[in-house]
Amino acid sequence: DSGVTQTPKHLITATGQRVTLRCSPRSGDLSVYWYQQSLDQGLQFLIQYYNGEERAKGNILERFSAQQFPDLHSELNLSSLELGDSALYFCASSVLYGETQYFGPGTRLLVL
Amino acid sequence: SQQGEEDPQALSIQEGENATMNCSYKTSINNLQWYRQNSGRGLVHLILIRSNEREKHSGRLRVTLDTSKKSSSLLITASRAADTASYFCATDPTGGSQGNLIFGKGTKLSVKP
Repeated sequence: DSGVTQTPKHLITATGQRVTLRCSPRSGDLSVYWYQQSLDQGLQFLIQYYNGEERAKGNILERFSAQQFPDLHSELNLSSLELGDSALYFCASSVLYGETQYFGPGTRLLVL
Repeated sequence: SQQGEEDPQALSIQEGENATMNCSYKTSINNLQWYRQNSGRGLVHLILIRSNEREKHSGRLRVTLDTSKKSSSLLITASRAADTASYFCATDPTGGSQGNLIFGKGTKLSVKP
């Protein structure tokens, strides 16, 4: 158990819908990262937060957004969902950016 | 974009044998991390090696880093059936915001009892 929690574990929804994925980092970790894992693209970095502020963006679609709250938990919002958004979404956390990242169990999203 | 490329893509060995996986990358890095993933589940962190380090050990794991060749290797000694998983290298490239890991496609390791 990495200490990073993610909810829900599984999510099934329809195209065009909007979902919110939630992540609680390890106690004491200030950095939160979101990654997407799909069969065709592999594991891709989406976005990074540090102590409530967005720090870096990767291959994140404009339909996706995220935030980190004062209690350091983070949410990833996916809207206007398409079939191709079906993937595993991971959250990771670290004490400081550039340090070891600990991954949560992931949320498996299926868009029908 | 994929920075790290693991080699081989798949590896099948018998219990007790050693398993070696290689990772090559393209740009300068702050550090390189190895992860294990069991069958579509969460990633488990194995080792982080910084750009100024050449070798690191953790239990049955040994990681080397050659920044001149832009390559790393992960050695698992005396493998067990429980080591069956996919192994990924992830690089933290310099020149950008630290921590945005770039993952390779992974090596699928199968350890037969």
